Amino acid sequence: SQTIHQWPATLVQPVGSPLSLECTVEGTSNPNLYWYRQAAGRGLQLLFYSVGIGQISSEVPQNLSASRPQDRQFILSSKKLLLSDSGFYLCAWRTSTGELFFGEGSRLTVL
Amino acid sequence: GEDVEQSLFLSVREGDSSVINCTYTDSSSTYLYWYKQEPGAGLQLLTYIFSNMDMKQDQRLTVLLNKKDKHLSLRIADTQTGDSAIYFCAETSRDYKLSFGAGTTVTVRA
Repeated sequence: SQTIHQWPATLVQPVGSPLSLECTVEGTSNPNLYWYRQAAGRGLQLLFYSVGIGQISSEVPQNLSASRPQDRQFILSSKKLLLSDSGFYLCAWRTSTGELFFGEGSRLTVL
Repeated sequence: GEDVEQSLFLSVREGDSSVINCTYTDSSSTYLYWYKQEPGAGLQLLTYIFSNMDMKQDQRLTVLLNKKDKHLSLRIADTQTGDSAIYFCAETSRDYKLSFGAGTTVTVRA
């Protein structure tokens, strides 16, 4: 069966520090992968998606970047965090019928 | 997202039915989804409906789709305290993306 893992689960970082959130998927090959952000009390905003190794599409201009170095690995990064980067980050993979399966999320607090 | 709209809050008494409503704008939507998010957790897919269907029932959950009005609803029968969560409506019409509503926070009171 397919599983998706994210880490770290919780992160507190100072403004201006770098960020790396990692997501891996098991039990499937060549998945479509996504990073969403959920700000407090708000819905989900699609940040990046990837249909294959090295292929990244960005949905909104922002302080973040994404990379896909391996088929089942998706990384969300920033060189210098802003206060507005605080939120709950969710990685997901997509089935052929469009269902998204989410990781447990990474809560980032930027101080 | 701006393509999918939901009411933000719903309060329901334990044992009653809950109805969560959603409207979407893209008439080419192919699949529509309901996700549940419990506090501090990721999203869990509850159910989905293909756009050529009007209704789908799965145990206590009933999904109704009015494609003409672009209206989707989720009915939870015999609502329990464990049903307290945020419920997201989502749609997909393009190859890779799902658009989510802002979520409806359902509070079940005794």
